[in-house]
Amino acid sequence: KAGVTQTPRYLIKTRGQQVTLSCSPISGHRSVSWYQQTPGQGLQFLFEYFSETQRNKGNFPGRFSGRQFSNSRSEMNVSTLELGDSALYLCASSLKVNYGYTFGSGTRLTVV
Amino acid sequence: QKEVEQNSGPLSVPEGAIASLNCTYSDRGSQSFFWYRQYSGKSPELIMFIYSNGDKEDGRFTAQLNKASQYVSLLIRDSQPSDSATYLCAVNTGFQKLVFGTGTRLLVSP
Repeated sequence: KAGVTQTPRYLIKTRGQQVTLSCSPISGHRSVSWYQQTPGQGLQFLFEYFSETQRNKGNFPGRFSGRQFSNSRSEMNVSTLELGDSALYLCASSLKVNYGYTFGSGTRLTVV
Repeated sequence: QKEVEQNSGPLSVPEGAIASLNCTYSDRGSQSFFWYRQYSGKSPELIMFIYSNGDKEDGRFTAQLNKASQYVSLLIRDSQPSDSATYLCAVNTGFQKLVFGTGTRLLVSP
């Protein structure tokens, strides 16, 4: 059974640019969550989608957005990149949050 | 007060010893509790979850939950150098998300 797939693995962008990250969940998992991980802050919740609906959103500025498609694949977008957006972005999928998440390998974003 | 708190460590134990990792949480309505292991440069991997008060054992791992004290712990018996990693405690507070602690770094020396 394939795991959670995130693309790309690594990304280098310039301040002011925008970026789109992609996540394909485990087959059958309809819930997809996104987290930002930095050394100082740990794992910070960005948002959660289920059946194309955003059910919860973390405390991030509006530059961070996401969506989910009918096949449960999800994308997140960050516009007007700032140096502080440099982080590991992790996608996780689950059948139900009570069963825990399975994480993808992450996308390492570096903003220069 | 942070929602989920963990000692950042590092917690150093010799090979073969028991490693005890602790986590406290603030929301009394929290429903389920998870332990993830994260190796350097890798993504978190789920190793244990627990819903009810008491102990839950899986191989060398035991998760302990005390809802009255808002406390979760993970015991690793017969610790191995390969257990050296950061252990993340996560809590489901009921809002379709897991809230993570910042993790405890475990070092197991041969």
